[in-house]
Amino acid sequence: GAVVSQHPSRVICKSGTSVKIECRSLDFQATTMFWYRQFPKQSLMLMATSNEGSKATYEQGVEKDKFLINHASLTLSTLTVTSAHPEDSSFYICSASVRSGANVLTFGAGSRLTVL
Amino acid sequence: QKEVEQDPGPLSVPEGAIVSLNCTYSNSAFQYFMWYRQYSRKGPELLMYTYSSGNKEDGRFTAQVDKSSKYISLFIRDSQPSDSATYLCAMSGQAGTALIFGKGTTLSVSS
Repeated sequence: GAVVSQHPSRVICKSGTSVKIECRSLDFQATTMFWYRQFPKQSLMLMATSNEGSKATYEQGVEKDKFLINHASLTLSTLTVTSAHPEDSSFYICSASVRSGANVLTFGAGSRLTVL
Repeated sequence: QKEVEQDPGPLSVPEGAIVSLNCTYSNSAFQYFMWYRQYSRKGPELLMYTYSSGNKEDGRFTAQVDKSSKYISLFIRDSQPSDSATYLCAMSGQAGTALIFGKGTTLSVSS
């Protein structure tokens, strides 16, 4: 089946540094990928929609200069958390649509970011 | 009112019980309905997918969608301890758009 690989699974960084999270579709091409954020015991909140070859579309309230998204190829999207602060600590999950014309999303395993 | 409402639980049942999980929603444009299962510290995995109204069965799992009531359900028969997880309902309108998730219901099945 379709697999979305996300890396790293866990990262700890110091406040003020930047962290990059990669999301890859391993056996299919994904023109669109979605980035979600999940706080403990909360639901997944959509941060942005990443489109291959164009700028990402951010949800209201998400700072595009802080959460940089790049979708340079049909199999790779990256999320960079710039100048991270402790409040950015969260579980970040990417997803991609596998079936054309349907809305079935396959999710990566998630990346847990801890900012000290 | 949030777009998707889901009781977070927790819900505790004995092994073998029938579990009923549900979500309500407010956006009548939603056409795609899904249930995902999420284990702790993992990404969600798709359990059931339904387009528009109706029922769908897959093994011990049955998904129901009632668009007239804006209500969806997931039933788990013969629940097992391995079913212990958080179950998230998700839905969207047009194909290719992002999913809107419920808060998730935490289920615990005891042996």
